[in-house]
Order: sequence, then C-alpha cells, then structure tokens
Amino acid sequence: EAGVTQFPSHSVIEKGQTVTLRCDPISGHDNLYWYRRVMGKEIKFLLHFVKESKQDESGMPNNRFLAERTGGTYSTLKVQPAELEDSGVYFCASSPTWTNEQYFGPGTRLTVT
Amino acid sequence: AQSVAQPEDQVNVAEGNPLTVKCTYSVSGNPYLFWYVQYPNRGLQFLLKYITGDNLVKGSYGFEAEFNKSQTSFHLKKPSALVSDSALYFCAVRPQAAGNKLTFGGGTRVLVKP
Repeated sequence: EAGVTQFPSHSVIEKGQTVTLRCDPISGHDNLYWYRRVMGKEIKFLLHFVKESKQDESGMPNNRFLAERTGGTYSTLKVQPAELEDSGVYFCASSPTWTNEQYFGPGTRLTVT
Repeated sequence: AQSVAQPEDQVNVAEGNPLTVKCTYSVSGNPYLFWYVQYPNRGLQFLLKYITGDNLVKGSYGFEAEFNKSQTSFHLKKPSALVSDSALYFCAVRPQAAGNKLTFGGGTRVLVKP
C-alpha cells in the first residue's frame, strides 16, 4: 500500500511569488490534514478535510493560504503571495474514519527568500 | 487549549544504554497521546499511542511509553538504545472529546553514540 505522498519535496521561491503544494493521501482515507513546522519549532495544525469538506481550518494563519481537496482525493495548499515567515516544512497526513492514527507524508520544505 | 512540552531539545545516550524522551501535556478532559519519529529526509512515522487501558504502551522498534495521569506525562522509553534510533522524536496530544487535530511538542533530537 502506498503511503502519503507530497510534491514537491523542496521548493525555493522569492517573496511575493505563489507556490502550490500537493498531497496525495492513502487511498480510501477520508480524513486529510495539513500541518507545518516553522523554524524548527513545534509542528502546528493548519486544517482538516473530511472528504472534500473543510472540517476544521482553525490553524490557517491568514488568507494568503488556500487549501482545496477536489473530489475528496488529493489536496493542494496554495500560498499567495508567499512571505519570508512562510518558510518551513509542510506536512500532510491522512487517516481512515475508524482510527485515531494519522499517517504522515515526507513533507515539503518551503524556502521563501 | 491543549499544549505539549518536550523539555529537552536534545538527548545524548550511549548505545546499549536506556533512552528516555520526556513529554508532558495539558488538555481538557481525557487525552489521546502519541509518539512519532522522524528520521533524516523522511516523514513522521507513528511509534505508539495511548487511548485507554493499561498505562504502559508498547510500540514499534522496542519503544514503550508510560501514561501518568497525575503527572500529565507520557515519557518515551527504550531499554537499550541503538545507533539507528538517532532521530527527531515528537510527542502529540488530542482531546478524546473533540476534534482530530494533533497538538505537537517541539521535538527532541536523540543522538545515540556507538
């Protein structure tokens, strides 16, 4: 069974540019989560999808961040325009409905210069 | 709001010695508690979880953790560390009663020296 995959693994962009991160969850997992770790600090929750619906987006930092999950499959997280403080590692996780355990992807390292 | 504290940024231990990584938490109500490990250039891997029942939880790679409700702690332990255990360890919590989002600690880097 394939795990959670994320693309790209690393992105370097200039301040003011746009970047789109992609996450493909484990097949059949209705729950999809985005987290990020900024500047070596704790990993912080961004949002939670159940299928295509946003269940909880309380962690989204501001309106420069837009997450979508078309058709309840893969998800994208767009940052527009990117700021220096957005640099960090963005993790995606998925889980089925019957377990508390979240399965994480390898993360996308975003560097904004 | 819930929070997790991992008081040690780094733990150094000699191979073969016991390893302990500390975690304390704050949450409303009963918690679900988790440990994840991140090896270099890899994603977070699930190690173990506490849901209910026995306070001593056994997980992957010989790790275990003890839930202590009175001390609000969930320390990760391994009786005999291996060099391959060198990695970044994260403790996480979420309340049983509400929501799925995990709250993580800041992580503890473990370095096991041969």
